[in-house]
Amino acid sequence: EPEVTQTPSHQVTQMGQEVILRCVPISNHLYFYWYRQILGQKVEFLVSFYNNEISEKSEIFDDQFSVERPDGSNFTLKIRSTKLEDSAMYFCASSDSRLLHFGDGTRLSIL
Amino acid sequence: AQSVSQHNHHVILSEAASLELGCNYSYGGTVNLFWYVQYPGQHLQLLLKYFSGDPLVKGIKGFEAEFIKSKFSFNLRKPSVQWSDTAEYFCAVTNNAGNMLTFGGGTRLMVKP
Repeated sequence: EPEVTQTPSHQVTQMGQEVILRCVPISNHLYFYWYRQILGQKVEFLVSFYNNEISEKSEIFDDQFSVERPDGSNFTLKIRSTKLEDSAMYFCASSDSRLLHFGDGTRLSIL
Repeated sequence: AQSVSQHNHHVILSEAASLELGCNYSYGGTVNLFWYVQYPGQHLQLLLKYFSGDPLVKGIKGFEAEFIKSKFSFNLRKPSVQWSDTAEYFCAVTNNAGNMLTFGGGTRLMVKP
């Protein structure tokens, strides 16, 4: 069964540095998402992406965040000038319509 | 705006006990409803979904859920749990456009052998 893959599985970064989290969605999917889960809290929607542009974003997704689909396969989340509170598990998801398939997540630790 | 409430944060059961996890949502329009499971150290996996039709939906691993529109509920059930069901369970809802999945806070289930 096709899967959403995310790299790296764990990223440790100094506060203030930029990070890029990478995702390879399922190949025939057209909708892409990023969610995050701060330890002990609920999974939160960050952003959805369709047709090479952001279709919806949450309040969390401020100017610090950006997404890109640089080629036909990757979908990236960039966090500029990371803060301690950005430490979380970040999940990428893709869908063909209404059913989301999630990746294993990237655990981001900000020191 | 959509919201999802899961009232049980932690549930501890013995093997073979029956399980019911509550989920209530608030949204005035047509919704799609989901239960996801997250086993320790793993990603979110879909247990079952409701889009339309029979409000009693059956998922993988013997789980089922019932959509009761009048109560805005989508409770998850399993008649007899196993130790391997130990995991965190998330209820989620999206509107018919399907663009933004809103999750509940999750219920951590521990099944004692």
